Amino acid sequence: EIVLPQSPGTLSLSPGERATLSCRASQSVTSSYLAWYQQKPGQAPRLLVYGASSRATGIPDRFSASGSGTDFTLTISRLEPDDFAVYYCQQYGSSSLFSFGPGTKVEIK
Amino acid sequence: EVQLVESGGGLVQPGRSLRLSCAASGFNFNDYGMHWVRQAPGKGLEWVAGISWNSGIKGYAVSVKGRFTISRDNAKKSLSLQMNSLRPEDTALYYCAKDMEYAGYAPLDYWGQGTLVTVSS
Repeated sequence: EIVLPQSPGTLSLSPGERATLSCRASQSVTSSYLAWYQQKPGQAPRLLVYGASSRATGIPDRFSASGSGTDFTLTISRLEPDDFAVYYCQQYGSSSLFSFGPGTKVEIK
Repeated sequence: EVQLVESGGGLVQPGRSLRLSCAASGFNFNDYGMHWVRQAPGKGLEWVAGISWNSGIKGYAVSVKGRFTISRDNAKKSLSLQMNSLRPEDTALYYCAKDMEYAGYAPLDYWGQGTLVTVSS
């Protein structure tokens, strides 16, 4: 089983600042099958990025993602009030690999 | 507009069974894999089970394998999760989610609002 630790656990930033979130897999992620989700309190998760770097439909370009192998990053260039949420990375591609990281909470400083 | 509406949650005693349902609309249900993902109170996301477009491929998390069964009815555009031998650690909000592809195990691009399952005596 591939583990997907995320860091930091909590990120305290102000609106307008840049957020950098990390997801590091315990084994190499096949074909960059890595996605990122955003979840706000009381809401269902929303897909942000798939294929390690492709933004999902309707996701603003202040969200960008990169990475390959075991190291992946989600960057929010300039935090807006609506971006304060929990972010999860997910590996996909087969049932044995379909798992989520523990999440990074981005909170207002 | 894609809509996924879960139902069937509730309070159940340990060892009992419960069946969750998800009604889908706004897309060609036949063409996509579907999944159940759960979230225990105050915790992160845990994938539970997935099924391909034609039910030919099913997969389960280790924590539920042998106790839970995922199924779908394409004619009725519905997804189900039969949960047997429930344990307190199965307490969670259960989300129905649509896969981006037909085979399953692609990213989940639409989610329902969830149905709450509480396992307690």
